[in-house]
Amino acid sequence: GQNIDQPTEMTATEGAIVQINCTYQTSGFNGLFWYQQHAGEAPTFLSYNVLDGLEEKGRFSSFLSRSKGYSYLLLKELQMKDSASYLCAVRDSNYQLIWGAGTKLIIKP
Amino acid sequence: KAGVTQTPRYLIKTRGQQVTLSCSPISGHRSVSWYQQTPGQGLQFLFEYFSETQRNKGNFPGRFSGRQFSNSRSEMNVSTLELGDSALYLCASCPTSGRADYNEQFFGPGTRLTVL
Repeated sequence: GQNIDQPTEMTATEGAIVQINCTYQTSGFNGLFWYQQHAGEAPTFLSYNVLDGLEEKGRFSSFLSRSKGYSYLLLKELQMKDSASYLCAVRDSNYQLIWGAGTKLIIKP
Repeated sequence: KAGVTQTPRYLIKTRGQQVTLSCSPISGHRSVSWYQQTPGQGLQFLFEYFSETQRNKGNFPGRFSGRQFSNSRSEMNVSTLELGDSALYLCASCPTSGRADYNEQFFGPGTRLTVL
C-alpha cells in the first residue's frame, strides 16, 4: 500500500526554527508537495520538490531525498501566524496525489 | 482572478439521502480534483476531471460520483449517505492535467457535510 507519515503534532517557540519530517512509501514518485492549512481554511501551496536537495523560499525551505523516501519542511524565525497544519503529499506513478494526515504546528510565545 | 468557489459551504443531511456539491475552478483552469478530509485521516483523493473526462479515481465506493461541464465547473454527488460520509469536501483546480511536471493545486474553502 501507499503511505505517507508525518508527526501528528509539534510545538515550537516564536522566533525559533522547526523541522517537520515526512517519510513516504508510494508506487512511483513524481514530485512532493508541502501545503499549509490554517484551521477552518483551505490548504495553500508552500513548496514542490522533484529532485534531491534543498529548495529555499524565504523563511521556508523544503528538502528531499528520493533514495530515503524522506522530506522535511524547515520553518525559520517562527511567527504566531505559522500556527497551522502542514500537509505533505506525494504524486505517485499515476500522477495521483497521496496525502499525509498533516502535522499540527503550535507556536508558543 | 477569483479563487476556487464551492457551494454550499455547509450542509446537513440524513442517512440515505443524496447530496450534490458544486465547484467552480479558477478561470482558465481545466483540471478539478475532489478530496474528502476527515480529522486524523488527511486528504483522501476522490477523483480528478480534466476537460470533462475523469482522469483519475481514488478508492471510494460507487456511491461517490462526479462530472465536469464544458465550462470546467464540476459537481460531486454522493448517494445513499452514510454517517461516515460526514467530512469536509474540498475541490482543487489547476491549469493543466495532473500529469504536467509541476502543478500547484488551488483549493476552494470546502463544503462541510454533516450526515445525521
